[in-house]
Amino acid sequence: RKEVEQDPGPFNVPEGATVAFNCTYSNSASQSFFWYRQDCRKEPKLLMSVYSSGNEDGRFTAQLNRASQYISLLIRDSKLSDSATYLCVVNISFQKLVFGTGTRLLVSP
Amino acid sequence: NAGVTQTPKFQVLKTGQSMTLQCAQDMNHNSMYWYRQDPGMGLRLIYYSASEGTTDKGEVPNGYNVSRLNKREFSLRLESAAPSQTSVYFCASRDNRAPGQYFGPGTRLTVT
Repeated sequence: RKEVEQDPGPFNVPEGATVAFNCTYSNSASQSFFWYRQDCRKEPKLLMSVYSSGNEDGRFTAQLNRASQYISLLIRDSKLSDSATYLCVVNISFQKLVFGTGTRLLVSP
Repeated sequence: NAGVTQTPKFQVLKTGQSMTLQCAQDMNHNSMYWYRQDPGMGLRLIYYSASEGTTDKGEVPNGYNVSRLNKREFSLRLESAAPSQTSVYFCASRDNRAPGQYFGPGTRLTVT
């Protein structure tokens, strides 16, 4: 079983739609969690950290369920510029991040 | 601030050739990392350096060496390149007091 699993997609949504991605992780001792965004042929960029209480940053909401070992990302009012690959990332120790393979989102006009 | 910079952006090597990928950060971060990214796989950690003067192996260190030259610079060396090392290489850095890592723009390496 992969340490971090994501649906590769692509998720095709129209502008203005709400879309959600999930991610599961296998290591119950994982310490912290993140969503990164990666545009085609570019470097990953930190989108947001994920906290147990859930957290929101504008149109983006992240949730963590430690009991079920999954993380979610909800994007409201999708924009064309949200088209990218979203990477679920788990910190299994202080220095080691484990990256999912990413979920591809395509937002169309 | 330039953030994390990497050179070169692109490189083509023949099997058996050697090269060094350079990485520098100007954010005064303690920790630095080298990853490779291959299609269908998540980023995989090659080596990391928790502080100047220390380096440790990651998930896929075979065929690579690293040097943490100073706090700013962390280089990755391929002594004898193999086609299996064809990949995109990303350098990253982190402030130990904050979550998340910051990535450079990547080096696209092809080994023929």
